[in-house]
Amino acid sequence: GDSVTQMEGPVTLSEEAFLTINCTYTATGYPSLFWYVQYPGEGLQLLLKATKADDKGSNKGFEATYRKETTSFHLEKGSVQVSDSAVYFCALSDRDSSASKIIFGSGTRLSIRP
Amino acid sequence: ETGVTQSPTHLIKTRGQQVTLRCSSQSGHNTVSWYQQALGQGPQFIFQYYREEENGRGNFPPRFSGLQFPNYSSELNVNALELDDSALYLCASSFPGQTYEQYFGPGTRLTVT
Repeated sequence: GDSVTQMEGPVTLSEEAFLTINCTYTATGYPSLFWYVQYPGEGLQLLLKATKADDKGSNKGFEATYRKETTSFHLEKGSVQVSDSAVYFCALSDRDSSASKIIFGSGTRLSIRP
Repeated sequence: ETGVTQSPTHLIKTRGQQVTLRCSSQSGHNTVSWYQQALGQGPQFIFQYYREEENGRGNFPPRFSGLQFPNYSSELNVNALELDDSALYLCASSFPGQTYEQYFGPGTRLTVT
């Protein structure tokens, strides 16, 4: 079945450092890809999305490009802030299914030091 | 525009009891999905409801059941609670025909003792 594998954490960086969180996926169809963020004690927020190959999703300085040839959707940010500390989930959903479910990776905890 | 809301925020139950969690969909959304997120893990799909009918189910036993109402709000019921049911339960809603993109509520934290 479809699955998502993402970089294990925790990841600890200093403020203004460059961030990469790796994500690869396995899917039989043509999934949409997502990054969700979960701040401490809160639910999930959609951070960015990409619906087809070579699409780039971006939001709040974060970017990820849908790479079909490498089945990857790595999350990047050029300069992280303390407020970016959270758990990040890579996820996919099958656009062609009439009852789409979101399949999540296990999450990567990010901590940013001042 | 009102987002997805869930109630209650926190809940403590005893093993063997039953629990009902509630969700109100985002305006314009007619499909509701429920997920279980155990501590330190990613959310796992429980089931999805569309037009008041179950429209897809994950690997969860029948003691997990749901309802969707005409106003698209939803309930998740869990019978015979087990300690492993302790988790954050997330509700997500989506636009008609766009169930691949779901918007999540803040969740209900259930603790079973």
